[in-house]
Amino acid sequence: DTGVSQDPRHKITKRGQNVTFRCDPISEHNRLYWYRQTLGQGPEFLTYFQNEAQLEKSRLLSDRFSAERPKGSFSTLEIQRTEQGDSAMYLCAGLDRGRTGELFFGEGSRLTVL
Amino acid sequence: GQQVMQIPQYQHVQEGEDFTTYCNSSTTLSNIQWYKQRPGGHPVFLIQLVKSGEVKKQKRLTFQFGEAKKNSSLHITATQTTDVGTYFCAGGSSNTGKLIFGQGTTLQVKP
Repeated sequence: DTGVSQDPRHKITKRGQNVTFRCDPISEHNRLYWYRQTLGQGPEFLTYFQNEAQLEKSRLLSDRFSAERPKGSFSTLEIQRTEQGDSAMYLCAGLDRGRTGELFFGEGSRLTVL
Repeated sequence: GQQVMQIPQYQHVQEGEDFTTYCNSSTTLSNIQWYKQRPGGHPVFLIQLVKSGEVKKQKRLTFQFGEAKKNSSLHITATQTTDVGTYFCAGGSSNTGKLIFGQGTTLQVKP
C-alpha cells in the first residue's frame, strides 16, 4: 500500500461528457504527478504539482484537460468533452518532500469513453 | 524531447531461465529508475541508479547504469513465476522528480 488513493477506480462515460478524477496522496508527498497509461505503453507524463503550484504541463495535453491541487493536499484531474481517445488509465503518484526518486503510484482510475 | 526506449517489448521464458531488458535514452540522464507492474496493477518502484557505471543487486535482480548515463539494463537470474509482469525503466530529472517512462518489457514465465 503506497498510501496514494484514487477515485473512482473505474469510470465509463459517453463521448462529450465531462469527468473528474481525484487523487489523495499522503501528507509527506509535496510533489504530485499525473500520468496517463494506455494498453501496452508506459505511463505518459501529464502534469505535476509542488504543493499547490502546478509547475509543468505536458505539451501533449489538450486544453480539455485541467488539473488542480487547491490546498496542496488532494488533486483533481478534469477532462472536458471526453473523446474516445481519452480512454486510458489515469495514474497519480506522490513524491516525498525533499527527495528525488521513488514515485508512489495509486491504483489508478480507468476511463472508458463510449 | 527526451525519449526512453526499451527492448524487447515481450519476452517469454521457461521458469529457471535468465531474462534481460535493455533501456536507452536519447539524452544523458540524471538518474534512472526501474518499476514493475503486475497485470491489472500499478507501477511499483524497484530501484534507482544515479552514478555512472553503477551496479546494484536485489536478490536475483541486477541493475546496471551505463558509463555515459544514457542506458541501463535489468537482468533476472533464474526466473520464477512470481517475476511475471511488465518492467519499466524511467529516466528521472533531479530538479523536478518527473519521470519519462520507456514502453516496458512484458515478461511471461512458463512453469
